[in-house]
Amino acid sequence: EDQVTQSPEALRLQEGESSSLNCSYTVSGLRGLFWYRQDPGKGPEFLFTLYSAGEEKEKERLKATLTKKESFLHITAPKPEDSATYLCAVREGFQKLVFGTGTRLLVSP
Amino acid sequence: GAGVSQSPRYKVAKRGQDVALRCDPISGHVSLFWYQQALGQGPEFLTYFQNEAQLDKSGLPSDRFFAERPEGSVSTLKIQRTQQEDSAVYLCASSTGDLRQYFGPGTRLTVT
Repeated sequence: EDQVTQSPEALRLQEGESSSLNCSYTVSGLRGLFWYRQDPGKGPEFLFTLYSAGEEKEKERLKATLTKKESFLHITAPKPEDSATYLCAVREGFQKLVFGTGTRLLVSP
Repeated sequence: GAGVSQSPRYKVAKRGQDVALRCDPISGHVSLFWYQQALGQGPEFLTYFQNEAQLDKSGLPSDRFFAERPEGSVSTLKIQRTQQEDSAVYLCASSTGDLRQYFGPGTRLTVT
């Protein structure tokens, strides 16, 4: 069974303090690794999909990278509005997603 | 365009009551998913439809949970004889060919 582990569970940063979130996965054959952002009281919002080791995707202050066993979400010069829970998921079987427990990010001004 | 919508947004049920949760996917999206998210956890897969066919229901936790999508668009998740452990946020997602899943805002179910 596919497994996804995210670390740290929670991260507090000062505005402008760059950092990375980790997602380790165990799958029988990667069919896509997904990053989502979730704000309190809302559903997850799609950020990135990565399919093969070495792939990178960027959007504003976020960059996602992928190796054979883990993915990183790098946050450069974060702002308070980047505060959210970041979820990592892998696609298992036909289409269902297996999620990690998320990293709660708080960026203070 | 309009995203995935879910109703009600909040539901309080007494233990033993039946509940029905509705999901309106993005128009034209063939695939529809239900997930359950407990507090502080990531979403957990419940079931998956392609059009009106339920192709995977392996995540439904018991036979009290039932989902349908009779015309291949709107879906309903029904929970019979609710228990306290059913309290969670129920998320619906839909997708099309690019496999990205677009989530609704969820229904928060509280069983008292």
